[in-house]
Amino acid sequence: DAKTTQPNSMESNEEEPVHLPCNHSTISGTDYIHWYRQLPSQGPEYVIHGLTSNVNNRMASLAIAEDRKSSTLILHRATLRDAAVYYCTGSYNNNDMRFGAGTRLTVKP
Amino acid sequence: GAGVSQTPSNKVTEKGKYVELRCDPISGHTALYWYRQSLGQGPEFLIYFQGTGAADDSGLPNDRFFAVRPEGSVSTLKIQRTERGDSAVYLCASSSEATVNTEAFFGQGTRLTVV
Repeated sequence: DAKTTQPNSMESNEEEPVHLPCNHSTISGTDYIHWYRQLPSQGPEYVIHGLTSNVNNRMASLAIAEDRKSSTLILHRATLRDAAVYYCTGSYNNNDMRFGAGTRLTVKP
Repeated sequence: GAGVSQTPSNKVTEKGKYVELRCDPISGHTALYWYRQSLGQGPEFLIYFQGTGAADDSGLPNDRFFAVRPEGSVSTLKIQRTERGDSAVYLCASSSEATVNTEAFFGQGTRLTVV
């Protein structure tokens, strides 16, 4: 299964870009890489996902390494509302997702 | 329509009692997932349903835990002989497809406290 490793915490200043790294060296060729975030007292919220190519949506960008052993979630301009725990997950047997401990992002005004 | 709904939002039970936690997924979603989350940790996978069947129940910690989805929509997570270590937030998620090449929607969770 696709085990993931992320830094425990990161800090960013408001209005600056944030790059959240994730290592998934055991990922298989058909496992998708997903990112979710979780605000206090809420369920996780989808951010973005991809397989091989870089992906962009209204929330963020996902840069996937060519060997797929790592990826980076990019928040182009962090806001205070982006403060959350960010989870990088790999799919397991291409069906369900397994979460690690995530990265707690603090955004300073 | 509504998102994923979980009831109750909070449940306090005594050690040794039986509890049921309910999940109403988004209408039409075929895939349904149960996770549990302890304080300061990420969600821990429990079980995944595709339609009515449990496609992967490898995350259920022991035989006190059981989940059903008899009509392919609502799911119930059942815990027998609850223990204090079962205290956690139980999260349910649903998605429109069998694979994970899609977005999963999570409910707000049920906070279970075993005293």
